[in-house]
Amino acid sequence: EPEVTQTPSHQVTQMGQEVILRCVPISNHLYFYWYRQILGQKVEFLVSFYNNEISEKSEIFDDQFSVERPDGSNFTLKIRSTKLEDSAMYFCASSEAPGGGFFGQGTRLTVV
Amino acid sequence: AQSVTQLDSQVPVFEEAPVELRCNYSSSVSVYLFWYVQYPNQGLQLLLKYLSGSTLVESINGFEAEFNKSQTSFHLRKPSVHISDTAEYFCAVSRTNTGNQFYFGTGTSLTVIP
Repeated sequence: EPEVTQTPSHQVTQMGQEVILRCVPISNHLYFYWYRQILGQKVEFLVSFYNNEISEKSEIFDDQFSVERPDGSNFTLKIRSTKLEDSAMYFCASSEAPGGGFFGQGTRLTVV
Repeated sequence: AQSVTQLDSQVPVFEEAPVELRCNYSSSVSVYLFWYVQYPNQGLQLLLKYLSGSTLVESINGFEAEFNKSQTSFHLRKPSVHISDTAEYFCAVSRTNTGNQFYFGTGTSLTVIP
């Protein structure tokens, strides 16, 4: 069964450091997303990506965030200078068309 | 804008009893509706979805949800729960346009009591 794969599963980083979270979407999917879930809170949308550009982003997705699809398979989220409040579970999702994104298992980011 | 309200943050229920997890949404445009489940220390798994057609949708593990447009609801039900159903359940909506984001509710923690 196809699945969205995220690496690493857990990342610990020092405040101010840059982190890159990696995702391999399902191969024939065209739409890619990043979401985050702060512990105990709801899942929040960060950004959607289609045709090699951002199609939609939330207020959370400020200048410290960026996304990239460096090759035909990977989809990355970069946080340039991490803050304590960036600690969260980050989920990547992909979809072929509207109607049910497939989510990865998530990367737990801990900023210390 | 779209929003989702899950009225119950925690639902304890005895094993083999029925359960209903409530979800209401608000949207000025047509939407797709979803239920996701998150088991402890795991990611989000799609449980079921409503895109069009029959308003009653079912999952492979016995859950069902009914889209009620007049009440803007998409409640999740199961006639007899198992211990393994203990998890966090999230209702979500997305606009029917291509590639739009999901708006999630705050989640309902279902605890099945032996």
